[in-house]
Parts: sequence; structure tokens; C-alpha cells
Amino acid sequence: EVQVLESGGGLVQPGGSLRLSCAASGFTFSSYAMSWVRQAPGKGLQWVSTVSGSAVSAYYADSVKGRFTLSRDNSKNTIYLQMNSLRAEDTAVYYCAKVRVLGIYDYWGQGTLVTVSS
Amino acid sequence: EIVLTQSPGILSLSPGERATLSCRASQSVSGSYLAWYQQKPGQAPRLLMFGASGRATGIPDRFSGSGSGTDFTLTISRLEPEDFAVYYCQQYGTSPYTFGQGTKLEIK
Repeated sequence: EVQVLESGGGLVQPGGSLRLSCAASGFTFSSYAMSWVRQAPGKGLQWVSTVSGSAVSAYYADSVKGRFTLSRDNSKNTIYLQMNSLRAEDTAVYYCAKVRVLGIYDYWGQGTLVTVSS
Repeated sequence: EIVLTQSPGILSLSPGERATLSCRASQSVSGSYLAWYQQKPGQAPRLLMFGASGRATGIPDRFSGSGSGTDFTLTISRLEPEDFAVYYCQQYGTSPYTFGQGTKLEIK
């Protein structure tokens, strides 16, 4: 059974940093890209970042480029989203998702809430 | 980036009725790389369809998808109580991959 579990969310002040983790199991982790998708309160879904299975490549939405860094440790079946220079508009539930292929997200975690506020 | 516009914003129907949800893209979606997700309150999205018409694992056959180019449709043939939720379309043919704003399917 595929499982995806996020952690690391919380309250942070504007300009601060936070690191999200996502642990996965039930599939050959290194064979699949993994992504973060966020959802602001009461809003729709927004793709944030994707890391390839080999960890060689990472891709970012323009809104987070230069502030967020996505990495993975295939020995731990875990990906990490380092978020710096956080802004109020980064407030959202952050979902970790397994990428079936291209941009199809076939398994999702339950999400972790990030609140950026003073 | 490709903007996806979903209509209607809210669809009020009764169990047993047929639901038709629309997703229109601001430019052609490459390869019909269009997916649909279902999200219930307090839950993560769930993949329903991909490639415009392919059903994901475990999705009942009352769900069907169609379309190409800029116009796509998700149809639920006979609504079950568990189908009332928010539905999002997503294109994954051109980076950045984008989602529509959602259609809320509510019980009439």
C-alpha cells in the first residue's frame, strides 16, 4: 500500500524559514518523481515544485523560485522542501504527491499547514 | 502559462442525476494531457482521470472524461452520495502544470 506522510508545518514569521519533510512507502521510491502542491485557505491547487527520482533535477514555480529548495534522500525514502524568505502569500496546506508520470499525481499525503504571520 | 477555467463554479444536482463539468484551456493542451481530481472537505485531492479519458485505479465507471485541444469534460453518469465534492482539472502538457479553480458539486 502506498503511503505518503508530510511533516514540518507550523507558524512562522514573515521572512522566516521552515523545512517540510515527506516520507513515502509502498513503492520503489527512487523510480518516481515527487512533488509539492499547495492550497491556500479556501482556494484552489497550485503546483510548487518537483524533484526527479534520481534527485538530479528539481523544478519550481516562479512564485517560489530562489526561495524554496527541494531535495530528496532515496536512502530514507524522503523528500525535503526548504522554504526561506517566507511571505504571507505562502500560507497554505502543502501536499506531497507521488508523480505517476509527467505531472500526474496519483498518491497524495494528507497535507501539512504552513502559516506565515506575525 | 496555460489558464484553465472550470464551469460552472457550483453545480447543484440530486443523487441519481447526471453531472457534466467543463474545463476550458487558454491554449491547446499538448497531448490531451488533462487530469481530473476530486477533493472532499478536509481531505487530499484524489486522482480520477488522466490523459483526458483514462480512469485512475479504482475509479468507478460512472466517471468518464472526454475532450481535446482546449475543451474538456468530466461526466458522472449517475451521482452517488459520495460524489458530492470539489473537482479540479489540471493540465500537465506544458510547464508549469496548472489547475483550474474548481467546480463544487453540491446536493440539491
